[in-house]
Amino acid sequence: GAGVSQSPSNKVTEKGKDVELRCDPISGHTALYWYRQSLGQGLEFLIYFQGNSAPDKSGLPSDRFSAERTGGSVSTLTIQRTQQEDSAVYLCASSLGDSRGEQYFGPGTRLTVT
Amino acid sequence: SQQGEEDPQALSIQEGENATMNCSYKTSINNLQWYRQNSGRGLVHLILIRSNEREKHSGRLRVTLDTSKKSSSLLITASRAADTASYFCAPRSGGGADGLTFGKGTHLIIQP
Repeated sequence: GAGVSQSPSNKVTEKGKDVELRCDPISGHTALYWYRQSLGQGLEFLIYFQGNSAPDKSGLPSDRFSAERTGGSVSTLTIQRTQQEDSAVYLCASSLGDSRGEQYFGPGTRLTVT
Repeated sequence: SQQGEEDPQALSIQEGENATMNCSYKTSINNLQWYRQNSGRGLVHLILIRSNEREKHSGRLRVTLDTSKKSSSLLITASRAADTASYFCAPRSGGGADGLTFGKGTHLIIQP
């Protein structure tokens, strides 16, 4: 079946502009995750949704970052007033939300802030 | 979730040889997962081993788990060029639905 999809695949934006990244999880997966991976860095957890609610927002780096998920499916990650340090690959993953916790990742959105 | 530590940080072997990488963690787990990341296929879940299992196989992959030593190993047999990637372990505790935390990983290079 279809995997996790993300759009856009690449986004170049000017410093100070807002950007919106989209994630479409695997159908039936109740849990959805956003991560960030900067060049040469490890995986940084941002936020996790179970259904439409976000029990864990602990990883959001600042109040410029927000995410929502409606209808228990598609999620958007919004970064307001982008800064150069926001440049990274933003990865989305989904899982069944059960105790096994296997996560399936999308291809990512490469964000470049100039 | 806790972070595993992979060892070695880098490994270079000839195609056809076996590759072994290790993971250590600190607190008790429900399961441990291995993931692979390369430029071609992104970040992919490879295999999961439960805390009550000692060994698991999937194709050319063999995973072992020693909960008394809080360690796991991933063996890739008959390596191929396509196995070139970074490999990460993810020890999972609690409900299992929380976010992943990866260490620096093992960067595996398969020489043709």
